[in-house]
Amino acid sequence: GAVVSQHPSRVICKSGTSVKIECRSLDFQATTMFWYRQFPKQSLMLMATSNEGSKATYEQGVEKDKFLINHASLTLSTLTVTSAHPEDSSFYICSARAGSVTEQYFGPGTRLTVT
Amino acid sequence: RKEVEQDPGPFNVPEGATVAFNCTYSNSASQSFFWYRQDCRKEPKLLMSVYSSGNEDGRFTAQLNRASQYISLLIRDSKLSDSATYLCVVNFNTDKLIFGTGTRLQVFP
Repeated sequence: GAVVSQHPSRVICKSGTSVKIECRSLDFQATTMFWYRQFPKQSLMLMATSNEGSKATYEQGVEKDKFLINHASLTLSTLTVTSAHPEDSSFYICSARAGSVTEQYFGPGTRLTVT
Repeated sequence: RKEVEQDPGPFNVPEGATVAFNCTYSNSASQSFFWYRQDCRKEPKLLMSVYSSGNEDGRFTAQLNRASQYISLLIRDSKLSDSATYLCVVNFNTDKLIFGTGTRLQVFP
């Protein structure tokens, strides 16, 4: 089956610093990647959709200048949380989709803690 | 009203029991429907897609009622390893998956 990896799996950073999270599709080319955030006891919330080679589309309420997304190749997308604050502490999960199929394959997630 | 609503549970059932989860969605134009399973502090994994005619995969049966905008998941002969949170997921267009908050299942010996 399709495999998506994320790195790092866990990160702790100080308030005001930036953190980069990588999402890779290991055995397929992902034309579209998605970034989700999940707070404790809540559902996954889509933050943004990125298509390879073009700008990401952000969901309402998600600051594009704070959450920078780059999808420079068909196997790699990155999410950079800039000037992180404690309220950004969450579980960030990426998913990837090949072509126009509906099914998304999820990465294992990155747990971010901002102190 | 939430786009996808689920009973959060938890459902505590003994091994071997049959348990059913329900889910309602608000957008009648929804196109695709799924059940995902999420273990604690892990990513969601696709359990099964849900088709209009209903579909079965081993001990798991999914049903869709478009008229009532309602999806169900039935688990027969529950195993300890079935303990997890079950997420109802709806696709409104080819890009966006909308997740419910999930129903937690705990199977005990």
